[in-house]
Amino acid sequence: KNEVEQSPQNLTAQEGEFITINCSYSVGISALHWLQQHPGGGIVSLFMLSSGKKKHGRLIATINIQEKHSSLHITASHPRDSAVYICAAGAQKLVFGQGTRLTINP
Amino acid sequence: DSGVTQTPKHLITATGQRVTLRCSPRSGDLSVYWYQQSLDQGLQFLIQYYNGEERAKGNILERFSAQQFPDLHSELNLSSLELGDSALYFCASSVGWAADSPLHFGNGTRLTVT
Repeated sequence: KNEVEQSPQNLTAQEGEFITINCSYSVGISALHWLQQHPGGGIVSLFMLSSGKKKHGRLIATINIQEKHSSLHITASHPRDSAVYICAAGAQKLVFGQGTRLTINP
Repeated sequence: DSGVTQTPKHLITATGQRVTLRCSPRSGDLSVYWYQQSLDQGLQFLIQYYNGEERAKGNILERFSAQQFPDLHSELNLSSLELGDSALYFCASSVGWAADSPLHFGNGTRLTVT
């Protein structure tokens, strides 16, 4: 079992749908990161969380430390949200999940 | 723009050769991280430097080495290259040395070993 697991691995949805990507971890953490990787390959940091909830535009990230679980939500999804979303967790060294490939169809 | 500069963007070389990848961190960031992303492996942490000193090591092969210079730029040296070393290599930087410091990624170097 991987130390950081994401689900689902692949997700296809229609434009406008509410999207949830999940991340469970078994490592000790000081923070959990959500990253976005577009088809061109570049990686953008979306959120860094150590507790609670953060919101940026249509993106919301939550973390439950007791349950060792985090979720990334996208409201009113758009085709430009199509990307691979990666969860990473750790105390010093980050351990990365395998990523969730999201495709939003118009 | 993350402020992290990686060069070159693409590199094609033959097995057995040696290459050097370069990373300039975002201004003010003291930590530099190197990651490898293969098609079937996801992102793998290789090594971290903080203010010139090695801070943490991941699954870095002995054929690979890195260093961080006084101006804080970093180089990743890959030697005796094998076909399996073909991958995207990312550099990231952060202000602090622990995981609770926001990361800024470069655009990556795509290495193809033929």
